[in-house]
Amino acid sequence: EAQVTQNPRYLITVTGKKLTVTCSQNMNHEYMSWYRQDPGLGLRQIYYSMNVEVTDKGDVPEGYKVSRKEKRNFPLILESPSPNQTSLYFCASHRQGASTDTQYFGPGTRLTVL
Amino acid sequence: RKEVEQDPGPFNVPEGATVAFNCTYSNSASQSFFWYRQDCRKEPKLLMSVYSSGNEDGRFTAQLNRASQYISLLIRDSKLSDSATYLCVVRGSNYKLTFGKGTLLTVNP
Repeated sequence: EAQVTQNPRYLITVTGKKLTVTCSQNMNHEYMSWYRQDPGLGLRQIYYSMNVEVTDKGDVPEGYKVSRKEKRNFPLILESPSPNQTSLYFCASHRQGASTDTQYFGPGTRLTVL
Repeated sequence: RKEVEQDPGPFNVPEGATVAFNCTYSNSASQSFFWYRQDCRKEPKLLMSVYSSGNEDGRFTAQLNRASQYISLLIRDSKLSDSATYLCVVRGSNYKLTFGKGTLLTVNP
């Protein structure tokens, strides 16, 4: 089954404690990205990657890091989380090619930073 | 002008009603257009792509007007199960998706 998985699904942490949210896709997609979703602000892109070892900033990259060492994985790293990073996070992937290709989303990670 | 702007909603309609969502986008170089559906706090899922010629999928009809930079979605004979947030999404030349803030639809019995 084609899917994007994220872990953990729920996380409560404290300010300053480094954390990583994993994202994996089994569709051999080149393009992966991370979004955060906040009430009244919609989905905003944090970082994206167009292929292995190629990453770039999205609209709201501050406070986040990513890596793309393998095609299937695209972890999101918060080196020193702060309360304003409390949000719902989605990882997504799609094939690079036809412009109408579907973007597949993971189930989301609900992060609370105290 | 915001990159992708949608009706703020929310929309509350009775079952069987026809409801229309409107969306405008600011970047004339945008290449692809979509409507996504998002159920409460779940991941967005593609509802349909939008083509210049207009396209239909059952009760759903999408239209694109590139000259006016306007996208629409029409739902006919709405069902309770259509209740969700509808997201207008635009893709640029770098494959980046830009999302509207979404319009919440509630279909009432």
